Amino acid sequence: TQLLKQSPQFLSIQEGENLTVYCNSSSVFSSLQWYRQEPGEGPVLLVTVVTGGEVKKLKRLTFQFGDARKDSSLHITAAQPGDTGLYLCAGDKAAGNKLTFGGGTRVLVKP
Amino acid sequence: GAVVSQHPSWVICKSGTSVKIECRSLDFQATTMFWYRQFPKQSLMLMATSNEGSKATYEQGVEKDKFLINHASLTLSTLTVTSAHPEDSSFYICSAPLHFIPHSYNSPLHFGNGTRLTVT
Repeated sequence: TQLLKQSPQFLSIQEGENLTVYCNSSSVFSSLQWYRQEPGEGPVLLVTVVTGGEVKKLKRLTFQFGDARKDSSLHITAAQPGDTGLYLCAGDKAAGNKLTFGGGTRVLVKP
Repeated sequence: GAVVSQHPSWVICKSGTSVKIECRSLDFQATTMFWYRQFPKQSLMLMATSNEGSKATYEQGVEKDKFLINHASLTLSTLTVTSAHPEDSSFYICSAPLHFIPHSYNSPLHFGNGTRLTVT
């Protein structure tokens, strides 16, 4: 059973469209991180959210942490082909930075 | 430049041989590093936590005698896949927290670029 469930698993959209990726859990996390991974490379950190209800923006990307700190969402506005990749959420439950990763959402933005 | 350097980026080996993968932290010390395995189109699965100067901590189901981890210095951890078999073929990735403070949170993880292992 996956502690962090991401949905959808795969998303294919046209350039210019918006998309939202969800990361849900029944557990409370002290923080949640979002990463993007491109084929053949390691994940790259996009953002860390810490406070319940927190919203962070990174250019066209908007990240939200649920009030109860059990879920998070990533919204991309006017997606571009460069946004293509595997998006991973990762929750931090315990001390020691041992993250639990969600199953990932593969995003394909077609030109 | 890369914060965590992983080498090699890909390796092909014959069944029964051993393969060593190196993970180096550049410009910072990493008392802890994490090793992950990733199957095609899937998420990361934590294999073990590498601790400088002490034994690695393995996740449930990961054979410590097969996946040997050595963290001999503050900037280097190695993963050796011993007696590799085709089912060990995978993408192995290491990571290190930029700031590791016990009982603290939120330190971002910096990942290496991964090693694609193919066992024939």
